[in-house]
Amino acid sequence: EVQLVESGGGLVQPGRSLKLSCAASGFTFSDYAMAWVRQAPKKGLEWVATIIYDGSSTYYRDSVKGRFTISRDNAKSTLYLQMDSLRSEDTATYYCARPNYYSGDFDYWGQGVMVTVSS
Amino acid sequence: DVVMTQTPPSLSVAIGQSVSISCKSSQSLVYSDGKTYLHWLLQSSGRSPKRLIYQVSNLDSGVPDRFSGTGSQKDFTLKISRVEAKDLGVYYCAQTTHFPLTFGSGTKLEIK
Repeated sequence: EVQLVESGGGLVQPGRSLKLSCAASGFTFSDYAMAWVRQAPKKGLEWVATIIYDGSSTYYRDSVKGRFTISRDNAKSTLYLQMDSLRSEDTATYYCARPNYYSGDFDYWGQGVMVTVSS
Repeated sequence: DVVMTQTPPSLSVAIGQSVSISCKSSQSLVYSDGKTYLHWLLQSSGRSPKRLIYQVSNLDSGVPDRFSGTGSQKDFTLKISRVEAKDLGVYYCAQTTHFPLTFGSGTKLEIK
């Protein structure tokens, strides 16, 4: 059974940093690209970043480029999101999601982790 | 960025009725490989999103055939026939043809 379990969320002050983790199990992690998608309170879904299977290429939405870094440790089957220079508009539930190579969509999602940026 | 315009924002239907949700994109969603990467997801209250339909019309495993997806290029529709109480939640369309990946604003389905 595929499982994605996020951790590392919490309350952080504007301008500070936070690192999210997503522990994957139930599939060969190193075979898949991985992504982060966020959802601000009472709002819709917003793609944040994607990393390909071996970590050699990454993609970001413009609003987080230069502040967020997506990375992975295939030996630990873990995905990360390092978030620096956090802003109030980064407040959201962050989901780890698995892109399916063949269908192109996100076929599995984690339960999400809440990040609140506030002084 | 590809803008996904999803309508209506909400629907209230009786059990057994049928509903349709529209999703229109600002650009064609046909990729260079000829495939159309338009998908539908359902987010039930307090839960994470769940895959429903991928590449316009392919139902995820376990999704009943009361759900169907149609469309092409820039115009897509999700239809739910014989709505059941367990269908309630927020439906999103999503495109993965172009970066940045984008989602529709969601359609909240409520049961009368």
